[in-house]
Amino acid sequence: SQTIHQWPATLVQPVGSPLSLECTVEGTSNPNLYWYRQAAGRGLQLLFYSVGIGQISSEVPQNLSASRPQDRQFILSSKKLLLSDSGFYLCAWSPGQGAYGYTFGSGTRLTVV
Amino acid sequence: AQTVTQSQPEMSVQEAETVTLSCTYDTSESDYYLFWYKQPPSRQMILVIRQEAYKQQNATENRFSVNFQKAAKSFSLKISDSQLGDAAMYFCAYRENDMRFGAGTRLTVKP
Repeated sequence: SQTIHQWPATLVQPVGSPLSLECTVEGTSNPNLYWYRQAAGRGLQLLFYSVGIGQISSEVPQNLSASRPQDRQFILSSKKLLLSDSGFYLCAWSPGQGAYGYTFGSGTRLTVV
Repeated sequence: AQTVTQSQPEMSVQEAETVTLSCTYDTSESDYYLFWYKQPPSRQMILVIRQEAYKQQNATENRFSVNFQKAAKSFSLKISDSQLGDAAMYFCAYRENDMRFGAGTRLTVKP
């Protein structure tokens, strides 16, 4: 069966520090991968998605970037965190386009101080 | 861009009663997919139910069912026999290529 792992679960980082959140999927190949951010009490905002290695699409120009160095690995990064980067970050995968729902990781709660 | 609107920020239901959560969406496409996700306090996103736009029959999963009105671009979720464990944030989502979410409805279940 397929599983998705996301870590760390919780992170407190000072303003200006770098960020690296990692997401990996097991039990499938060539998944579509997604990064979402959820502000407190709000909906999910799509940040990045990838349909293959090295293929990254950005939805929102901002302080963050994403990379997909391996088929089942998706990384969210920042060189210098801002206070506004605080939030709950969710990684998700799907087998392909259209009909499939997403399976989400357990999320990372990021607090920038 | 497609938008998803959930007009009820909060809803409350008595245990064992029925509640309906509303969702509307905006699209010019005819082929798409709609979803309801549940996010309990653990914040894990859980798929509740899915509807294909080309199907007229409303999807049902145990106590959860939808009322899909394609012409009205409406996709409501009905929870029957509500249980305490149903308390959560519920998100409506639209997918053509990637998935777009509404702002969510917080459901409280009263014992």
